[in-house]
Amino acid sequence: EIVMTQSPATLSVSPGERATLSCRASQSVSSNLAWYQQKPGQAPRLLIYGASTRATGIPARFSGSGSGTEFTLTISSLQSEDFAVYYCQQYNNWPPYMYTFGQGTKLEIK
Amino acid sequence: EVQLVESGGGLVQPGGSLRLSCAASGFTFSSYEMNWVRQAPGKGLEWVSYISSSGSPIYYADSVKGRFTISRDNAKNSLYLQMNSLRAEDTAVYYCARDTVTSAFDIWGQGTMVTVSS
Repeated sequence: EIVMTQSPATLSVSPGERATLSCRASQSVSSNLAWYQQKPGQAPRLLIYGASTRATGIPARFSGSGSGTEFTLTISSLQSEDFAVYYCQQYNNWPPYMYTFGQGTKLEIK
Repeated sequence: EVQLVESGGGLVQPGGSLRLSCAASGFTFSSYEMNWVRQAPGKGLEWVSYISSSGSPIYYADSVKGRFTISRDNAKNSLYLQMNSLRAEDTAVYYCARDTVTSAFDIWGQGTMVTVSS
């Protein structure tokens, strides 16, 4: 089973600053990596798929990079609405077919 | 509007059963793979099960294999999750989520709460 590890668990950043969130896979997942944002009481929202492609309607300040085992989500200039929990997710396209989420990074206001 | 709406959650005793439903609208349901994802209170996301657009293949997380059954009715634009032999650790909000060709989940329902307790 592929394990996804996100760091840090909590990130404190001031509005207007850049935030960099990391996600590491225990083995290569190629570019089968997505990022989600979740606010309290809401369902997750897809931000990035294929490691680096923004989903429909996602602002350009969100960017994803990486391949293989190391991935990064960067938010270039934090807005108040960006403070939330972020999850990475990988997909196995070989047996055992399954999806795995990271444990999440909470992005909080500094 | 593209939408997923879950229903069927509630309080059930350990060992009991529950059937969740997810009603899809605003898109061609029969063309999309679907998933169930759950989130225990205060915890992260856990993928539960996948079903292809036609109903086969189907995959499960090890934590629910043999107890949960995913199914769909494309004529009714509906996804289901039959949950048997429920345990306290199955307590969570259950989301249905639409799968994409890149295997990311682009549309999510609002979730339905399942509480397993005596």
